[in-house]
Amino acid sequence: EAGVTQSPTHLIKTRGQQATLRCSPISGHTSVYWYQQALGLGLQFLLWYDEGEERNRGNFPPRFSGRQFPNYSSELNVNALELEDSALYLCASSLDRRSSYEQYFGPGTRLTVT
Amino acid sequence: GIQVEQSPPDLILQEGANSTLRCNFSDSVNNLQWFHQNPWGQLINLFYIPSGTKQNGRLSATTVATERYSLLYISSSQTTDSGVYFCAVPNQAGTALIFGKGTTLSVSS
Repeated sequence: EAGVTQSPTHLIKTRGQQATLRCSPISGHTSVYWYQQALGLGLQFLLWYDEGEERNRGNFPPRFSGRQFPNYSSELNVNALELEDSALYLCASSLDRRSSYEQYFGPGTRLTVT
Repeated sequence: GIQVEQSPPDLILQEGANSTLRCNFSDSVNNLQWFHQNPWGQLINLFYIPSGTKQNGRLSATTVATERYSLLYISSSQTTDSGVYFCAVPNQAGTALIFGKGTTLSVSS
């Protein structure tokens, strides 16, 4: 069974540009979560999608947005990139929205903003 | 919100040594996960352990939910065990995982 996949592996953008990151969950999983791991800030929750809807967002500005497609894959968009957006972005999936379910993580996308 | 604290922050071991990593959390939870972050950044699931004890090879974990802590045991450490170990629990609304700051383990041969 394939795990969570993310693309691209690395992404280099210039300040002010937009970045799009993609995630495919484990087959059968409907919930997708996005986390940011910036240097010195630890792992922070960004967004949660379930059944095509945004269910929760963390303490991030609106220029961080995303969506979930009918096949449950997800896209994270970061507009008006700032230098501090440079980080590892991790996607996770779980069976459904119940908090008791285990989350499984993808390999991440490393975003560098210059 | 719920707080997650991990200790120690750093651990340096010789190959073959045993170690115990601790995770304290500030409120009752119905889910606790331990992860190992590999050098490329991926979080590898080690244990899903809301309570009780589980073992997987040289690794084992115990969660005492009533006392709000979990322990990860690594026996006979190998250099490949090096990396950062995180524990994580759901926030109070159950809508996201809250991570501790991690324990960085360095195992030398």
